[in-house]
Amino acid sequence: DAKTTQPTSMDCAEGRAANLPCNHSTISGNEYVYWYRQIHSQGPQYIIHGLKNNETNEMASLIITEDRKSSTLILPHATLRDTAVYYCIVRVATAAGNKLTFGGGTRVLVKP
Amino acid sequence: ETGVTQSPTHLIKTRGQQVTLRCSSQSGHNTVSWYQQALGQGPQFIFQYYREEENGRGNFPPRFSGLQFPNYSSELNVNALELDDSALYLCASSSSAGGAWGELFFGEGSRLTVL
Repeated sequence: DAKTTQPTSMDCAEGRAANLPCNHSTISGNEYVYWYRQIHSQGPQYIIHGLKNNETNEMASLIITEDRKSSTLILPHATLRDTAVYYCIVRVATAAGNKLTFGGGTRVLVKP
Repeated sequence: ETGVTQSPTHLIKTRGQQVTLRCSSQSGHNTVSWYQQALGQGPQFIFQYYREEENGRGNFPPRFSGLQFPNYSSELNVNALELDDSALYLCASSSSAGGAWGELFFGEGSRLTVL
């Protein structure tokens, strides 16, 4: 699976949009971009994923560049409960296993 | 809540002992995977079970083993515990509907401390 690069940490003001960048310059054509987050002392939580097109769900939006070498997760209106470590993962699901390769993630602190 | 439950939530063992951790997958999910998360790091893939067989393994020694039962629940066994095995152990379930692997749903984890 391709490696990802994310900022170690970032702060965000409550109520404002949080934009979390991720670089995945070695991504392959069949690899998806996934985002998970982990709130302190809990298991990781699925947020969103995409292949080429931008995606949106009730939690967030995912913007993938045309060359697919980077992406941005957007939390449109950050709340204090969005404070967590956010992981950007690229992977291809194969018959050999549906594994996720987690990096260090971005520690996001939402401030009042 | 994801519907994935793990037990026990916390346990303490001593070096050299053996431990068994348990996981009940989300309803309708036929695949279970296990991850180890050391303090301050991201989770690391241990292995995955599909239809009661291991079908993917990370860089973990053979003393890490597992089982999946007909009801898709799973166990993680670790023999000859070492201090570095102290970590949060996460179970995740998913479904392989139509040959495609869905997103993973994680439990809250079992925190193992080895003294």
